[in-house]
Amino acid sequence: DIQMTQSPSTLSASVGDRVTISCRASQSISNWLAWYQQKPGKAPKLLIYQTYTLEGGVPSRFSGSGYGTEFTLTISSLQPDDFATYYCQQYDIFSTFGQGTKVEFK
Amino acid sequence: QVQLVESGGGVVQTGRSLRLSCAAPGFTLNNYGMHWVRQAPGKGLEWVAVISYDGNHKYYADSVKGRFTISRDDSTNTLYLQMNSLRPEDTAVYHCARGAAPHWLLIDYWGQGTLVTVSS
Repeated sequence: DIQMTQSPSTLSASVGDRVTISCRASQSISNWLAWYQQKPGKAPKLLIYQTYTLEGGVPSRFSGSGYGTEFTLTISSLQPDDFATYYCQQYDIFSTFGQGTKVEFK
Repeated sequence: QVQLVESGGGVVQTGRSLRLSCAAPGFTLNNYGMHWVRQAPGKGLEWVAVISYDGNHKYYADSVKGRFTISRDDSTNTLYLQMNSLRPEDTAVYHCARGAAPHWLLIDYWGQGTLVTVSS
């Protein structure tokens, strides 16, 4: 099975900060990686797929990069609505999620 | 608008069975791959199972293989998850989710979920 490891587990930041979340796959997944945002009590929301393609309606301050085993989600200027938990997902071989990164107020 | 509505959750004893349902008003399930993903209280997302759009392929996480079965009834446009031999570690909110087209292993829409509690 492919394992996905996110870092950090928790990230403290302020509005306007540039935020970077990392995701590492235990084997190469090419560019079959997605990012989701989840707020408490809500279903996850797809943000980015195929490493860097923004889902419709997602603000351009979100971006993704990487290939193979190393991937990154970047929020260029953190907004109040962005405080949430973020998950990466590989969908190369079946599906696996990372353990999540909670972005909280500093 | 894509809607996914789960039902069937509840409290069940260890070793018993439960069947979850997912209705999809507004789109036809057999045009999409469909997933179940669970989230234990306060924990992260765990992918559980997927059925391909044509129903010919079903895949499961190792943690549920042999105990859970994903299926679909095209006549009622309903997705199911039959859960047998339940364990306390199966306690979670179970989300029904739609696979994107054409990459049906990618999830594009999620339901709100139904809570399953397995008591020991």
